[in-house]
Amino acid sequence: KQEVTQIPAALSVPEGENLVLNCSFTDSAIYNLQWFRQDPGKGLTSLLLIQSSQREQTSGRLNASLDKSSGRSTLYIAASQPGDSATYLCAVETSGSRLTFGEGTQLTVNP
Amino acid sequence: DADVTQTPRNRITKTGKRIMLECSQTKGHDRMYWYRQDPGLGLRLIYYSFDVKDINKGEISDGYSVSRQAQAKFSLSLESAIPNQTALYFCATSDLLSTETQYFGPGTRLLVL
Repeated sequence: KQEVTQIPAALSVPEGENLVLNCSFTDSAIYNLQWFRQDPGKGLTSLLLIQSSQREQTSGRLNASLDKSSGRSTLYIAASQPGDSATYLCAVETSGSRLTFGEGTQLTVNP
Repeated sequence: DADVTQTPRNRITKTGKRIMLECSQTKGHDRMYWYRQDPGLGLRLIYYSFDVKDINKGEISDGYSVSRQAQAKFSLSLESAIPNQTALYFCATSDLLSTETQYFGPGTRLLVL
């Protein structure tokens, strides 16, 4: 059974700091890995999707890496802003388009 | 207008009551999903459907049933609600390709007393 773990569970940083969120998964037989953002009262928004054959994806200040063999992914956020405050969820897709989610990292960026 | 909508957004009900949560999408996707989210447990898959005639159990289907009325509509029912079904419920859709992400609705917050 696939298990996804995210560390840390919560993180509080001052504005402008660069930060890294970590995700690990137990079964390397994945189709892709995705990072989502969740804001209170809203659904999940996809940030980055990395195919199993890829090593990283970038979107603006966000960079996600994938090391499938070691079962790890990181989400790097550059020059953090208060608007980045949210819960970040990592999910891996296995057979049958099924997503397995981690518990999330709650990020607070302080002005 | 939102691509994936859920009704109701909030619901309070009593133990033993039958509850239906509805999901509609305008993205034209064939695949639809129901998840629940509990504090500290992330999202867990309840049921999923790859087309109108295809329904599959997810990780935690006990106590739930679903109906795929049309390509655009996927409903989740709690036949006899119990307090440990109190959670945030999300509907999601996706296209056929694994290169595409899932698109989530805004969620339904359910409280079972």
